[in-house]
Amino acid sequence: ILNVEQSPQSLHVQEGDSTNFTCSFPSSNFYALHWYRWETAKSPEALFVMTLNGDEKKKGRISATLNTKEGYSYLYIKGSQPEDSATYLCAFFNAGGTSYGKLTFGQGTILTVHP
Amino acid sequence: DTGVSQDPRHKITKRGQNVTFRCDPISEHNRLYWYRQTLGQGPEFLTYFQNEAQLEKSRLLSDRFSAERPKGSFSTLEIQRTEQGDSAMYLCASSLAGYSGANVLTFGAGSRLTVL
Repeated sequence: ILNVEQSPQSLHVQEGDSTNFTCSFPSSNFYALHWYRWETAKSPEALFVMTLNGDEKKKGRISATLNTKEGYSYLYIKGSQPEDSATYLCAFFNAGGTSYGKLTFGQGTILTVHP
Repeated sequence: DTGVSQDPRHKITKRGQNVTFRCDPISEHNRLYWYRQTLGQGPEFLTYFQNEAQLEKSRLLSDRFSAERPKGSFSTLEIQRTEQGDSAMYLCASSLAGYSGANVLTFGAGSRLTVL
C-alpha cells in the first residue's frame, strides 16, 4: 500500500500571510504528482499536475514544487485570502506495481484563512 | 458539458438497506473512478473503469459493494446490506485515459451517505 502523507493536517493563518504545506510520497516508480483544492460543498478541483523532478508550477498566488528523488512536493500560497480556505489534497500516480492506473491521495491539509 | 454529476447528493438510510449511487462523467472521458472519503481522511480508492471494463477494485472493498458502467457511459455504485461504517462521502471522478498519470481527474460533488 502506498503511503502519501501531508503536513500539517490543519493550518490557521491570517489574511495576507503566506503559507506552505508538504506532501511526501514514495520516491520509487514515480510518474506524476497532483494537487487538488476542495472547498466545502464543492467538487475537488485540480490545481497542478507535475511529472518532472524540479518542476515548478504557478497559478496566481499559488505555486508548487516537486522533488521526486527525495519524494516531496511543497504547495505555497502567497498573501492568503479568505477564499483560499479549503482542503488541499495531493495525490500520487505510481508508474507500476499494484497501484498503477489510479491516484493515491494524502489525507489533506485543511487551510483556514481568517479575515 | 456540465461536468461530472452525481446523484443523489445526500442519502440517509437504515442499516441493512441497499443504496445505489449514480455518476455521469464528462462525455469524452473514458476513465471513471469511485473514491470514498471519511472525516479526516483523504479520498480512498474503490474502483475504476476504462470504458465499460472494470480494471481494478480495491482489496479493501467488501463483496457488498458493486459497481457497473454499462456501455461506458454513466456508472452506478451499489452498496448492499449497508452498515454504519459505510457512512462516508462517495466521490466519482472521470478523466481521459492513455498511458499518463498526468491526466487530471474531474470530480463530481459527491454523494454523502449516512447509515443509521
